Amino acid sequence: NAGVMQNPRHLVRRRGQEARLRCSPVKGHSHVYWYRQLPEEGLKFMVYLQKENIIDESGMPKERFSAEFPKEGPSILRIQQVVRGDSAAYFCASSNGGTTEAFFGQGTRLTVV
Amino acid sequence: SQELEQSPQSLIVQEGKNLTINCTSSKTLYGLYWYKQKYGEGLIFLMMLQKGGEEKSHEKITAKLDEKKQQSSLHITASQPSHAGIYLCGADGSGNTGKLIFGQGTTLQVKP
Repeated sequence: NAGVMQNPRHLVRRRGQEARLRCSPVKGHSHVYWYRQLPEEGLKFMVYLQKENIIDESGMPKERFSAEFPKEGPSILRIQQVVRGDSAAYFCASSNGGTTEAFFGQGTRLTVV
Repeated sequence: SQELEQSPQSLIVQEGKNLTINCTSSKTLYGLYWYKQKYGEGLIFLMMLQKGGEEKSHEKITAKLDEKKQQSSLHITASQPSHAGIYLCGADGSGNTGKLIFGQGTTLQVKP
């Protein structure tokens, strides 16, 4: 991996709480992508952001989920009122956009109890 | 929508043996990415292929994209226990966003 940093690595939340997942892209990358990997399932695209803009959120659940990538600071994936079905590994990737090399972080493993 | 199918789903080989993993797309691939994932960890970038007929190698791993840009193969020569993990192919279906769809993965075990 070329420096995509995600934190926390592990996150435990009770049902109804909020989860905030952070992603710092590779230095110089302005394109961030979030993916979710559910147990025993493949990696699924959630949202694509450039600085301050959401470009494609076609993979995001309509409710409770939001993402941002502010001008300064990391990208944040926010899940409100978490439910057990939100338990998964959430991965962030960054690139220079288009068909260029995309690097992934180590992921945040969310467990909802 | 574009779909990627990987085969085989799982593979067990003896150390030192060669192996091939395939990734087939339902549509033309604008970019084909190979990643390796250890259980419970992140994805490690292996290679990206763009042009029909392109072939890239890194250490003992070689990836190819066919001329029609609908199938890719990943070949490992003289496998080692360190090659064990889940291999994922991802594709950029649009060619201009970098948004990837992934195959289901191929789980590789290498027996010492």
